[in-house]
Amino acid sequence: QSVLTQPPSVSAAPGQEVTISCSGSSSNIGNDFVSWYHQVPGAAPKLLIYDNNKRPSGIPDRFSGSKSGTSATLGITGLQTGDEANYYCVTWDSSLSSGVFGGGTKLTVL
Amino acid sequence: EVQLVESGGGLVQPGGSLRLSCAASRFTFSGYWMTWVRQAPGRGLEWVANIKKDGSEKYYADSVKGRFTISRDNAKNSLYLQMNSLRAEDTAVYYCVGALRTEGYWGQGTLVSVSS
Repeated sequence: QSVLTQPPSVSAAPGQEVTISCSGSSSNIGNDFVSWYHQVPGAAPKLLIYDNNKRPSGIPDRFSGSKSGTSATLGITGLQTGDEANYYCVTWDSSLSSGVFGGGTKLTVL
Repeated sequence: EVQLVESGGGLVQPGGSLRLSCAASRFTFSGYWMTWVRQAPGRGLEWVANIKKDGSEKYYADSVKGRFTISRDNAKNSLYLQMNSLRAEDTAVYYCVGALRTEGYWGQGTLVSVSS
């Protein structure tokens, strides 16, 4: 059972947009920055968003992040088949004194 | 390009020990917090432990506390994970990660299998 709750799966058609939620509490999301990763099977995860809404160099602006209270959201616009992957949120939990990942969301581009 | 290379994985019996290493190159190793993250077969990512730039602070997931020890040698640009009292549920690919939450430098992972 993950401390951060994500929907197990989301889907949308190519060209459409999708959002992935990450719900936590005051000791984690409510208290620290959130980062987002995506991972294709067999590969290491890749950072998409850090500090809630910043994109590393090379990440297209189709990817966006936001945070409100104890929840964070990853948005992807202009979906491409190459976006099919598992997406994870991660932050620090001050009560646990440990990092915490969401359970992951599998994105299917229909 | 940053390179992180894990080693030391393998098959070990329950109750056994293993020491993972991560060698960093083309990377200012001493300037970053380092983290171990694992992923059980077919499962999601699990944060395991992290260590401050100078090694003065270490944090662990409850699932490994008291059994795993994270350490680093900045002179050798190396990160370690000593794993004792291994259990079947520790079976996973273990990743070495630099600046997990801001830059996200990942190794390719090393597989640890705990089975009799």
